[in-house]
Amino acid sequence: GAGVSQTPSNKVTEKGKYVELRCDPISGHTALYWYRQSLGQGPEFLIYFQGTGAADDSGLPNDRFFAVRPEGSVSTLKIQRTERGDSAVYLCASSSLGTGTNGSYNEQFFGPGTRLTVL
Amino acid sequence: GQQLNQSPQSMFIQEGEDVSMNCTSSSIFNTWLWYKQDPGEGPVLLIALYKAGELTSNGRLTAQFGITRKDSFLNISASIPSDVGIYFCAGQKNAGGTSYGKLTFGQGTILTVHP
Repeated sequence: GAGVSQTPSNKVTEKGKYVELRCDPISGHTALYWYRQSLGQGPEFLIYFQGTGAADDSGLPNDRFFAVRPEGSVSTLKIQRTERGDSAVYLCASSSLGTGTNGSYNEQFFGPGTRLTVL
Repeated sequence: GQQLNQSPQSMFIQEGEDVSMNCTSSSIFNTWLWYKQDPGEGPVLLIALYKAGELTSNGRLTAQFGITRKDSFLNISASIPSDVGIYFCAGQKNAGGTSYGKLTFGQGTILTVHP
């Protein structure tokens, strides 16, 4: 079946511009996550949705970053007034449940990411 | 943000050799995971560990969850060229019996296998 898809695959923008990154999770997955991966680093958590609501947005670096998931499926990560330091690969993942019971893990399936370059 | 300490950063080995990499943390995680990432792709789960001391195998892969819940290792036996990629450890925490969804990742180990 279809996995997590992300669009665009690459985005080049100029400093100060606004960008939107889209994530289509696996059908039926209630939990959705955004991570940011800088060159040579592991992914870093940004925000996690359970359904339509943000259950944990503690990873968003500042108020220029915002994400929505209005119908509990597709999510959009929005970045205002982009800076060169925002350049990274933005990964989206989804899972069947956001929280597992003790002793289990609800696997997060990752999309291929959007590579954002801010000039 | 916090990342797990993963080592080594990179490894160059001959096909057929065994590989070992490990991950440590200053805090406790209730679930440890090992992922592999190929260029242009997202990470793919290899092994999940749920209990302290647990040893789990998946084909040529073996991983262990440390007794203290602050470390884990991954072994790959008899490496083959398709093992090339970046390997990440990741941890997930529980609080009050509820799992947090977010994962905390290590910095990655770049594996190169020479035929």
